[in-house]
Amino acid sequence: GDSVTQMEGPVTLSEEAFLTINCTYTATGYPSLFWYVQYPGEGLQLLLKATKADDKGSNKGFEATYRKETTSFHLEKGSVQVSDSAVYFCAATGANSKLTFGKGITLSVRP
Amino acid sequence: DTAVSQTPKYLVTQMGNDKSIKCEQNLGHDTMYWYKQDSKKFLKIMFSYNNKELIINETVPNRFSPKSPDKAHLNLHINSLELGDSAVYFCASSQTSGIGDTQYFGPGTRLTVL
Repeated sequence: GDSVTQMEGPVTLSEEAFLTINCTYTATGYPSLFWYVQYPGEGLQLLLKATKADDKGSNKGFEATYRKETTSFHLEKGSVQVSDSAVYFCAATGANSKLTFGKGITLSVRP
Repeated sequence: DTAVSQTPKYLVTQMGNDKSIKCEQNLGHDTMYWYKQDSKKFLKIMFSYNNKELIINETVPNRFSPKSPDKAHLNLHINSLELGDSAVYFCASSQTSGIGDTQYFGPGTRLTVL
């Protein structure tokens, strides 16, 4: 079945630091790839997505590029803010149309 | 104007009871889902309905029964609650069941079984 692997957390950064969260996937066919964010006490919100190879999704200063050759969709942000503190989930939808999530990683940004 | 809403937000109950969680979306989407998030934040799909028809039914105990009275509503009924059912349950919806469709999530229902 499909699977998504995220780097282990939690991650703690100082404000304005560079962020990378690694994500790799295994899925049938040509999956669509997503990053969702969950702020404390809330549901999940779509952060960005990419639906085909070499597409770059971007939103709120976050970026991720769909790399088919390395089956990866790493999330990056050049300068994190305290308000970016949340849990980040990488996810993929394969041929079975099921959204499969990674384990999530908690990001804490200190002032 | 909440896009995907769930009730109740919190549910505390005793083992063996039966409870329901309700979900409504006002986005005009065709597809709705139920997910379970465990204490380690891991999310797993339970069910999906497209136009009131069940299309995804993961390995979930028979005590869990979803019902979709119409496209905008998807309810989850749980019989004979067990301690292991304690989790946050999220409802979601998407325009279609297509691979690239974004799923929009509700705020979650935190179920605690004592």
